[in-house]
Amino acid sequence: DVKVTQSSRYLVKRTGEKVFLECVQDMDHENMFWYRQDPGLGLRLIYFSYDVKMKEKGDIPEGYSVSREKKERFSLILESASTNQTSMYLCASSLGARGRNYGYTFGSGTRLTVV
Amino acid sequence: GDSVTQMEGPVTLSEEAFLTINCTYTATGYPSLFWYVQYPGEGLQLLLKATKADDKGSNKGFEATYRKETTSFHLEKGSVQVSDSAVYFCALSDKGDDKIIFGKGTRLHILP
Repeated sequence: DVKVTQSSRYLVKRTGEKVFLECVQDMDHENMFWYRQDPGLGLRLIYFSYDVKMKEKGDIPEGYSVSREKKERFSLILESASTNQTSMYLCASSLGARGRNYGYTFGSGTRLTVV
Repeated sequence: GDSVTQMEGPVTLSEEAFLTINCTYTATGYPSLFWYVQYPGEGLQLLLKATKADDKGSNKGFEATYRKETTSFHLEKGSVQVSDSAVYFCALSDKGDDKIIFGKGTRLHILP
């Protein structure tokens, strides 16, 4: 089974701090994604990547950046954390679509609180 | 653009009741359809999927049939258990697209 590992289950950071959320997958998937999940809003796509050193903005990229230096690792960076970035962050990976998407594998999530 | 609409929750049922969670979609192409489940404190897990019209996805007693004529993919289970309490997400991915679009989720509570 593919495993997607997020480095922390819970994080508490101060306003203005630079925050790194790490995600690693172990099945050589091309695609990786970062979502945030908020009550009533569902899952919203922040950034995604189809290959090493590639990145694409999702629906809500403001205040975030990403890094993909190796195929298995996709990092989400909050340049200057703010309280409105308190949320559950979910990482996911998948094979390249090649005509049909067979679904994502998700990590367990990181619940980030910014105080 | 593509979208997924699922029934709002929470849905509360007694153990052994029949479950239906409605899901309809809008897509420009010919999408793959998914149901994901999220147990408390965890990430999402793929529950089942269907890739073409009239396909039935099934897993753990849950089923959903890809209905192109009604653009629907309703989730059903004949007899729910307390352990099925979770949030269920309907989702789609258009053909050739690596991104998945999720519905807002339906919280399910099963009472013993």
